Amino acid sequence: AQSVSQHNHHVILSEAASLELGCNYSYGGTVNLFWYVQYPGQHLQLLLKYFSGDPLVKGIKGFEAEFIKSKFSFNLRKPSVQWSDTAEYFCAVTSSGGDDKIIFGKGTRLHILP
Amino acid sequence: GAVVSQHPSRVICKSGTSVKIECRSLDFQATTMFWYRQFPKQSLMLMATSNEGSKATYEQGVEKDKFLINHASLTLSTLTVTSAHPEDSSFYICSARDQGAGELFFGEGSRLTVL
Repeated sequence: AQSVSQHNHHVILSEAASLELGCNYSYGGTVNLFWYVQYPGQHLQLLLKYFSGDPLVKGIKGFEAEFIKSKFSFNLRKPSVQWSDTAEYFCAVTSSGGDDKIIFGKGTRLHILP
Repeated sequence: GAVVSQHPSRVICKSGTSVKIECRSLDFQATTMFWYRQFPKQSLMLMATSNEGSKATYEQGVEKDKFLINHASLTLSTLTVTSAHPEDSSFYICSARDQGAGELFFGEGSRLTVL
């Protein structure tokens, strides 16, 4: 069965620090990968997605993620975080074979200190 | 961009009553919508896949008689929590895929509190 594992449940950083949130997935076929963000009191928004092509994907607000197929990983990165990045981040995977079910990781709560 | 709207955003009800939550895609048609449940400090759990014009597909462990899903049109899916109990209190989120854009959009979520 598909599964998504996010390594860090809670991360605390100071502003301007670099960020990397880990995500590993388990699935035997071809996948599409996503990172979603949920700001306090708001709904889920898409940060970035990988379907095919360049494994280094750039998203909104300076975020990027790298798909490493051999490691089944899709880590999220940002070189310099801001206080406004405080949110919960979810990695997700869906089969690219047409099954629309999207499986989420447990989420990582990111807290940026001003 | 495409928007998915949920209503109500918050609902409080007495134990034993039924509650209906609506999920609408506002500027695109969605043949498939998804319903999730989010427990505090936990991930989104897929409850069911709602298919327009046919029965919903429920995930293992989700009671279909408890959580009734109706996908009456290409822009509306409803989730009815029947005979709600305090353990049903949760945050329910729907999503719909804009086939043209290939992106999955989420509603704002509905917080259900059962007294």
